[in-house]
Amino acid sequence: IAGITQAPTSQILAAGRRMTLRCTQDMRHNAMYWYRQDLGLGLRLIHYSNTAGTTGKGEVPDGYSVSRANTDDFPLTLASAVPSQTSVYFCASSDSIAGGPTDTQYFGPGTRLTVL
Amino acid sequence: GQNIDQPTEMTATEGAIVQINCTYQTSGFNGLFWYQQHAGEAPTFLSYNVLDGLEEKGRFSSFLSRSKGYSYLLLKELQMKDSASYLCAPLDSNYQLIWGAGTKLIIKP
Repeated sequence: IAGITQAPTSQILAAGRRMTLRCTQDMRHNAMYWYRQDLGLGLRLIHYSNTAGTTGKGEVPDGYSVSRANTDDFPLTLASAVPSQTSVYFCASSDSIAGGPTDTQYFGPGTRLTVL
Repeated sequence: GQNIDQPTEMTATEGAIVQINCTYQTSGFNGLFWYQQHAGEAPTFLSYNVLDGLEEKGRFSSFLSRSKGYSYLLLKELQMKDSASYLCAPLDSNYQLIWGAGTKLIIKP
């Protein structure tokens, strides 16, 4: 069982280019999340999806979009990358959003993105 | 607003005990998670508390006081591999985890 996979592992991108970060989970979790993590800051939620077919905005959604066409996949798209989007991006999933231990989030290995 | 307060960095000696404190203010509360994150890696789940008191899991224990908005993670018999950042994350009324910047724990021989 792989858990959560992310691709690519790392990427250097020219400013203005479009980029999609991929995230796939095989745990049949209902909820999925995208975070960015910058040095000295906590994880910041970009977008989330409580169940397939629905998405929501997190703390820092500007410049990013997501889709959740099925349970397993939750891609994150940067429409036109800017240098401030240089960060490490983590995808996570949880079984449910019930306010209990099933809300435990499990993380993918991350994508290190550099925008020049 | 929502706020998490943890020490930025702590140092401890191999074999010793260390306590990492966390105070929080959130809109609603549905439990608190602790995660471990080694440098360059993803966070991994350590513990979940929803009721007041101590939860013990091997060398790691986590304590919660909801009335004080306070939690701590206790690590016993420290090993070099415990060098990592420890993230305190309460779950708010919208079932979103609120993340602090974490505490970097350095273990010295």
